[in-house]
Amino acid sequence: DSGVTQTPKHLITATGQRVTLRCSPRSGDLSVYWYQQSLDQGLQFLIQYYNGEERAKGNILERFSAQQFPDLHSELNLSSLELGDSALYFCASSDRTLEQFFGPGTRLTVL
Amino acid sequence: GQQLNQSPQSMFIQEGEDVSMNCTSSSIFNTWLWYKQDPGEGPVLLIALYKAGELTSNGRLTAQFGITRKDSFLNISASIPSDVGIYFCAGPSPSSNTGKLIFGQGTTLQVKP
Repeated sequence: DSGVTQTPKHLITATGQRVTLRCSPRSGDLSVYWYQQSLDQGLQFLIQYYNGEERAKGNILERFSAQQFPDLHSELNLSSLELGDSALYFCASSDRTLEQFFGPGTRLTVL
Repeated sequence: GQQLNQSPQSMFIQEGEDVSMNCTSSSIFNTWLWYKQDPGEGPVLLIALYKAGELTSNGRLTAQFGITRKDSFLNISASIPSDVGIYFCAGPSPSSNTGKLIFGQGTTLQVKP
């Protein structure tokens, strides 16, 4: 158990819909990262937050957004969903080191 | 952009055998991380390397930070069935001072009992 929690575990929705994925980092970790894992693209960095502020952005679509709240939990919002958005979404957290600890992931299926 | 190339892509070995896999890059990395992922689960950090030439062990796993800083190696000794999974190398993007990680495409390991 990495100490990072993610909800929900599974999400099935339809094209055009909007969903919110939730992540709670390890106790004391200020950085939260979101990654997308699909079969053909591997693990791709989406976005990083540090203590409530956006720190780095990867190839995150404009339809996707994230935020980190004062209690350090983070949410990833995916809107106008397309079939190609079906993937595993992981949250990771870290303290001041570069070692990131991953949550169990949310499997999103868009039908 | 930067890429990490892992080889081999997959391995099918007999229980008890030793395993070697590597990760290479065209760019210099200052940190190498090795993760293992079981199906449907999140990646689990196995070993972190911070210094060129560093050799670090975690049980039956040993990883090395290449002298050129453009490669890293992971060895598993006396493999067992629970070693099955996908092994990823990763490192912080050299062009960024954030914690953004770049991942290799993974080496899939299967162990025959």
